[in-house]
Amino acid sequence: KAGVTQTPRYLIKTRGQQVTLSCSPISGHRSVSWYQQTPGQGLQFLFEYFSETQRNKGNFPGRFSGRQFSNSRSEMNVSTLELGDSALYLCASSVTSGGTEQYFGPGTRLTVT
Amino acid sequence: GENVEQHPSTLSVQEGDSAVIKCTYSDSASNYFPWYKQELGKRPQLIIDIRSNVGEKKDQRIAVTLNKTAKHFSLHITETQPEDSAVYFCAANTGGFKTIFGAGTRLFVKA
Repeated sequence: KAGVTQTPRYLIKTRGQQVTLSCSPISGHRSVSWYQQTPGQGLQFLFEYFSETQRNKGNFPGRFSGRQFSNSRSEMNVSTLELGDSALYLCASSVTSGGTEQYFGPGTRLTVT
Repeated sequence: GENVEQHPSTLSVQEGDSAVIKCTYSDSASNYFPWYKQELGKRPQLIIDIRSNVGEKKDQRIAVTLNKTAKHFSLHITETQPEDSAVYFCAANTGGFKTIFGAGTRLFVKA
């Protein structure tokens, strides 16, 4: 099976812009979680989607949003970008939610200038 | 809120020695504890996991132990090799659609 894929891999944006990141899970996986990884903060949970519904959300402002489509692909959107949003954004897929193995994508490196 | 503390943040060992990384979780409802290895510039990879109904699990040179009473779980790597050098993350999941990660341990294995 193909692994988790993310597009784009690299992105440079300026403050105030918005960005959309995409994640395609492993075939058959219905859960997609998003994480922000920064050197100082480790892996921070953003949200998880299962069957097109957001099941849980981390402690991030409302500028961070997401959605999941019927084919389980997921997108994450960040509006009004700030310098502090510069990070590696990772998505992870699993067969189902709640205590099952997650497989990570390669990530999208977002740089905000 | 939920929290996972991980220690040490950096660990340096000689090749062939053992390495131990410890984590503590706060949510007593946590029931699934995976460990991930992330090499420089690569994605985190699941290396071993344990569920709350098991006290210990082993896979070749890697083992994980869980103490539910103390809310502690640990990763043990024996006979370390240079290719074990990476950042290791512990995590806890409550089954409630949320996985909380520790801050990571940077392991250096010196040849």
